[in-house]
Amino acid sequence: EAGVTQSPTHLIKTRGQQATLRCSPISGHTSVYWYQQALGLGLQFLLWYDEGEERNRGNFPPRFSGRQFPNYSSELNVNALELEDSALYLCASSLGMMNTEAFFGQGTRLTVV
Amino acid sequence: QKEVEQDPGPLSVPEGAIVSLNCTYSNSAFQYFMWYRQYSRKGPELLMYTYSSGNKEDGRFTAQVDKSSKYISLFIRDSQPSDSATYLCAMTAGGTSYGKLTFGQGTILTVHP
Repeated sequence: EAGVTQSPTHLIKTRGQQATLRCSPISGHTSVYWYQQALGLGLQFLLWYDEGEERNRGNFPPRFSGRQFPNYSSELNVNALELEDSALYLCASSLGMMNTEAFFGQGTRLTVV
Repeated sequence: QKEVEQDPGPLSVPEGAIVSLNCTYSNSAFQYFMWYRQYSRKGPELLMYTYSSGNKEDGRFTAQVDKSSKYISLFIRDSQPSDSATYLCAMTAGGTSYGKLTFGQGTILTVHP
């Protein structure tokens, strides 16, 4: 069974541009979570989607947004990129709302120059 | 003060040693406690999760939770070079934090042959 898949693996953008990151959850999982792992800051919770709805968001500005599609895949959009947005963006999925068993993808490495 | 504190190490041990990894937390609302392992350039992999105080064992791994002291531990017995990775503790509470995992900074572990 395929795990959580993220694309692209690497992304290089210029400051001020927009970035779109994609995530496909494990088959049967309805919840998708996004985390940012910046150097020295650990994993920070960004967003949680379940059944197509945004259920919770972390302490990030509104230029971080996303959505979940009917097939439960998800997209994270970061507008007006800043240098400090450079990080590994991780997507996780879980069966329903049980985030105690969340499985992570390999991440998208976003570099803003 | 961070909600979850974890000694970043690095921790270096010889093969076969018993490893003890620890986290302390300040939010008494945390109910579920998880340990993840993250290899370089990979996403975090769930090792174990526990609910409430006590011990939980899985093979060479034992997770321990002491809610009264707000302290959790992960013990690795008979450590192997393949255990070399970053170990992350994570916690979650219900209510408005639903869906959000709060992570420690991670402890870098190296097991020498």
